[in-house]
Amino acid sequence: ETGVTQTPRHLVMGMTNKKSLKCEQHLGHNAMYWYKQSAKKPLELMFVYNFKEQTENNSVPSRFSPECPNSSHLFLHLHTLQPEDSALYLCASSQDRQTFHYGYTFGSGTRLTVV
Amino acid sequence: KNEVEQSPQNLTAQEGEFITINCSYSVGISALHWLQQHPGGGIVSLFMLSSGKKKHGRLIATINIQEKHSSLHITASHPRDSAVYICAGTGNQFYFGTGTSLTVIP
Repeated sequence: ETGVTQTPRHLVMGMTNKKSLKCEQHLGHNAMYWYKQSAKKPLELMFVYNFKEQTENNSVPSRFSPECPNSSHLFLHLHTLQPEDSALYLCASSQDRQTFHYGYTFGSGTRLTVV
Repeated sequence: KNEVEQSPQNLTAQEGEFITINCSYSVGISALHWLQQHPGGGIVSLFMLSSGKKKHGRLIATINIQEKHSSLHITASHPRDSAVYICAGTGNQFYFGTGTSLTVIP
């Protein structure tokens, strides 16, 4: 375990389902991130939360909805996904947004398959 | 074209071999990171460097700022080194490469 825990590890969902991914860290970090990793593509930054406030949304479709109730927890709510949304979704955290480049911790990811 | 390019995409080596993974970037960055991703998915930082060379155990990372090029070397490779190695540059944002999948055969 790296200090950032993601659940579930694997998820298969139909296109009409609603599900949520969870990320939890107890490192005392104040910034949390969602990344998407598709096969043969670079990691794509989806959302950034800094001190519980969403500071970045990189043109992510509205079928992905993030939630950050406190600095330790981050959720990604999923609804009416498409097969091309199948990917590894990684959560990361850092002390704050400005120091991400110097110290960050990734979770092990949720492998999502949309059928 | 991606801002960070890695080669090769896939690499198979015999245990004990010396391995080199290359990374070239086309954007201005303040630091270059090498990350390791095991089959379970988790990503671990191996190195962050902005000049010269760093060594940790059997791993060596070098960077040439003028040529915008970095290399990751693994000496005396071992099956437990099998993973995806990702190069990433940090400037205004994180620029990730697509990764090099390494398999070391006993």
